Amino acid sequence: ILNVEQSPQSLHVQEGDSTNFTCSFPSSNFYALHWYRWETAKSPEALFVMTLNGDEKKKGRISATLNTKEGYSYLYIKGSQPEDSATYLCASPSQAGTALIFGKGTTLSVSS
Amino acid sequence: KAGVTQTPRYLIKTRGQQVTLSCSPISGHRSVSWYQQTPGQGLQFLFEYFSETQRNKGNFPGRFSGRQFSNSRSEMNVSTLELGDSALYLCASSLAHAMDEQFFGPGTRLTVL
Repeated sequence: ILNVEQSPQSLHVQEGDSTNFTCSFPSSNFYALHWYRWETAKSPEALFVMTLNGDEKKKGRISATLNTKEGYSYLYIKGSQPEDSATYLCASPSQAGTALIFGKGTTLSVSS
Repeated sequence: KAGVTQTPRYLIKTRGQQVTLSCSPISGHRSVSWYQQTPGQGLQFLFEYFSETQRNKGNFPGRFSGRQFSNSRSEMNVSTLELGDSALYLCASSLAHAMDEQFFGPGTRLTVL
């Protein structure tokens, strides 16, 4: 079992602000890094699955980067909108690769 | 295609009882994982099944068990319920592996009185 840490725990921004969160994970025996968005009353939904060091993925206004050597990933949201309000979870498979270990999440609230 | 389904969606039980939760994965997905979410905690991994075999188990007492059927549907059982078992239980399916994108069900909200 490994420790996946996320910061900050929560964040409140104004509509139009850009923001970013951090996910840190043990860099040894890296398999993959997942990002999920969990909106209230819905199921967690995958944003990105990243496997390569230096990987950068983008979906609309959301992007993510990965540094496997130092064990961190950043999630960026450009021009936050109220519909971006959600908890953002990152996860990494355990060393055995058969269990996905989640961080506690960053809860984003965007005010209009 | 149909998403992951979980039944029941809500459940109220009393201490000492047992409960069975069900999860039907997306067609073609062979891996099913179960997670528990309680206030202040992230998603805590319970166990993962693949081809009817438990491949990995999280740090939960033996009161938590599960199984997977030949059609990949999975059930989890909690015996001798305790107040602390009150939580949202999520299942997720993927093609074959924890490294694959996980597709989550809506969850079962269990309340233990």
